[in-house]
Amino acid sequence: AQTIHQWPVAEIKAVGSPLSLGCTIKGKSSPNLYWYWQATGGTLQQLFYSITVGQVESVVQLNLSASRPKDDQFILSTEKLLLSHSGFYLCAWRQGNQDTQYFGPGTRLLVL
Amino acid sequence: QQQVRQSSQSLTVWEGETAILNCSYENSAFDYFPWYQQFPGEGPALLIAIRSVSDKKEDGRFTIFFNKREKNLSLHIKDSQPGDSATYFCAASGNSNNRIFFGDGTQLVVKP
Repeated sequence: AQTIHQWPVAEIKAVGSPLSLGCTIKGKSSPNLYWYWQATGGTLQQLFYSITVGQVESVVQLNLSASRPKDDQFILSTEKLLLSHSGFYLCAWRQGNQDTQYFGPGTRLLVL
Repeated sequence: QQQVRQSSQSLTVWEGETAILNCSYENSAFDYFPWYQQFPGEGPALLIAIRSVSDKKEDGRFTIFFNKREKNLSLHIKDSQPGDSATYFCAASGNSNNRIFFGDGTQLVVKP
């Protein structure tokens, strides 16, 4: 069974519209959670991370915000999309005492 | 200043050859170095990782050679297969495992 789910799989949105992307982790207790952005053919840029419910640290904001409403859920959002928000959004998790981050399947976003 | 650099944007080898992907880093405090493999449209998957106390890590056809003094490492893929064609990311992290820095990736093509 897949540990990490991201939704939606893909989105096409208009510039200026709001966005909400979700990530759910199953079967892991109190994971550290991460959001990344990846331009087409590009590297992975870390955006946010969260160690615990209600606490989010910003690495690079890119006019986005993140929240962790539940232990197993991480949300990425913005009220106004920009063209530059297009790309591949990846959620990742890490168990607190481990080194490795494990990535989800990603959400493809196209802003027109 | 880019923290992790990968020397080749792309690499082409023939099936059966050894592919060598190179990576260097800036921060001497980095002590954990994972390599991720990413296929188009998918999230990156951990391939193999090494800690800075080791100079070599082997897992099947994949080997990391690590040089702490020179601050570089390489991923060797023995007996390359067409199915190994993917983008490979070198990454590094230090004491704060919540911050991980990725290289720009090397796109490997294995020709049959």
